[in-house]
Amino acid sequence: AQSVTQLGSHVSVSEGALVLLRCNYSSSVPPYLFWYVQYPNQGLQLLLKYTSAATLVKGINGFEAEFKKSETSFHLTKPSAHMSDAAEYFCAVTVGFQKLVFGTGTRLLVSP
Amino acid sequence: EADIYQTPRYLVIGTGKKITLECSQTMGHDKMYWYQQDPGMELHLIHYSYGVNSTEKGDLSSESTVSRIRTEHFPLTLESARPSHTSQYLCASSESGTGRYEQYFGPGTRLTVT
Repeated sequence: AQSVTQLGSHVSVSEGALVLLRCNYSSSVPPYLFWYVQYPNQGLQLLLKYTSAATLVKGINGFEAEFKKSETSFHLTKPSAHMSDAAEYFCAVTVGFQKLVFGTGTRLLVSP
Repeated sequence: EADIYQTPRYLVIGTGKKITLECSQTMGHDKMYWYQQDPGMELHLIHYSYGVNSTEKGDLSSESTVSRIRTEHFPLTLESARPSHTSQYLCASSESGTGRYEQYFGPGTRLTVT
C-alpha cells in the first residue's frame, strides 16, 4: 500500500539557514508526490508536485524537492529560511487515481 | 488559484445538536473530499465523492454523513454532535483526468462540541 513517512515532527532552523524536510515514500506503482504547507488555522496550500516529469521540482516561495527513486525519497529544501516559512509541512502520495495519503507532518520553526 | 469555501470557520455547539458544515467550490471539480485533522496531527480522509450522487466513506470511520446533489456543493452533517467530534474539518477538491491528482483545500472549519 502506498504511504509516506516524514522524519522529524519538528525541525528548527535559524533565519537564513538551509531548510531540509524529509519525506520517504512507499509505492508499488510510480508515484505522484506532493508537498503542502499549512499555516495556523488555515487549510493546506500546494507547494509543489512531482508527476514523473523532471526529478527536480520547483515550487512556490523558493521551495524545491528532488525525486530520488533509488532512495524512495522526496525531500523538500529551501536555501535560505524566512520567518514567514514557519508552518506545518505535509508530504503526500497518490493512492490509486483518486486519493492522497498524507504524512504526519513536520512543523518548521524559524528563529531570528 | 483554487476557489473553495467552507462555512462556518469556527463553530462552538452543545452536545446533541445537529450541525452541517458547508463546502463549496467554483472550479467545477468532479472530486471532493472531507478530512478530519486534530491539532498538530495528520489528516484523515473521512468522506469522498467522485461526482454528483456519488459518496464513499474514507479511511477513518466517522459518524458524519455527506451528500453531493450538486457538483459544487459537498456538505457534511453530524446528526448529534458529541465532544469526541471536536476537531478541524477540511474540505478539498480535485479535477478529473490523468495527472491531475493534486487537491485544493478550503480554509477549514474548527468545530468545538461542549
